[in-house]
Amino acid sequence: DGGITQSPKYLFRKEGQNVTLSCEQNLNHDAMYWYRQDPGQGLRLIYYSQIVNDFQKGDIAEGYSVSREKKESFPLTVTSAQKNPTAFYLCASSIRGGTNTGELFFGEGSRLTVL
Amino acid sequence: AQSVTQPDIHITVSEGASLELRCNYSYGATPYLFWYVQSPGQGLQLLLKYFSGDTLVQGIKGFEAEFKRSQSSFNLRKPSVHWSDAAEYFCAVGVTGGGNKLTFGTGTQLKVEL
Repeated sequence: DGGITQSPKYLFRKEGQNVTLSCEQNLNHDAMYWYRQDPGQGLRLIYYSQIVNDFQKGDIAEGYSVSREKKESFPLTVTSAQKNPTAFYLCASSIRGGTNTGELFFGEGSRLTVL
Repeated sequence: AQSVTQPDIHITVSEGASLELRCNYSYGATPYLFWYVQSPGQGLQLLLKYFSGDTLVQGIKGFEAEFKRSQSSFNLRKPSVHWSDAAEYFCAVGVTGGGNKLTFGTGTQLKVEL
């Protein structure tokens, strides 16, 4: 079945450590996204990529980094510079388009807890 | 920039009762509008979407939503709620030329009483 796979589902990190969240999709979608979800704040866009080897900052990119070396993969690194990294992270993908004609397909999320 | 407001943080309804979840958006032109549902600890699933045309949109699981330009609203409705509808619901807006980046509301948590 086609879909988006995020791993790990749960992750614990000590302060000062970098951690990388994996996101893989087999939907043949061009565009991929990372959102952060906090209680009562909805989803906020961290980074997005419309095509391989290209990505843009979203609304809350500080303390995060991404890469897009392959169409199916869009890993997110939460660096030690992120002051409040404990959150639920959601990866999504969509068919690329010049106008917004597509929906987002979401993975099941990764919950990061900083100890 | 566009924005989305979901004024109700929590809503409780009895099973079998009707449901309406409110969503208001702010954007200068016609937006693209979405409703997503999220079960605890899971990703989001699309319920329905509005791009153009008929302002009453039908979705999955018996949900529908109506786009009202004059009120800048896109409220989600269901005539009879089932216990399995208990979840968090998110309204989202996309804009022309914005790719597929969406701006989400803060969500409405739905509780269903048996």
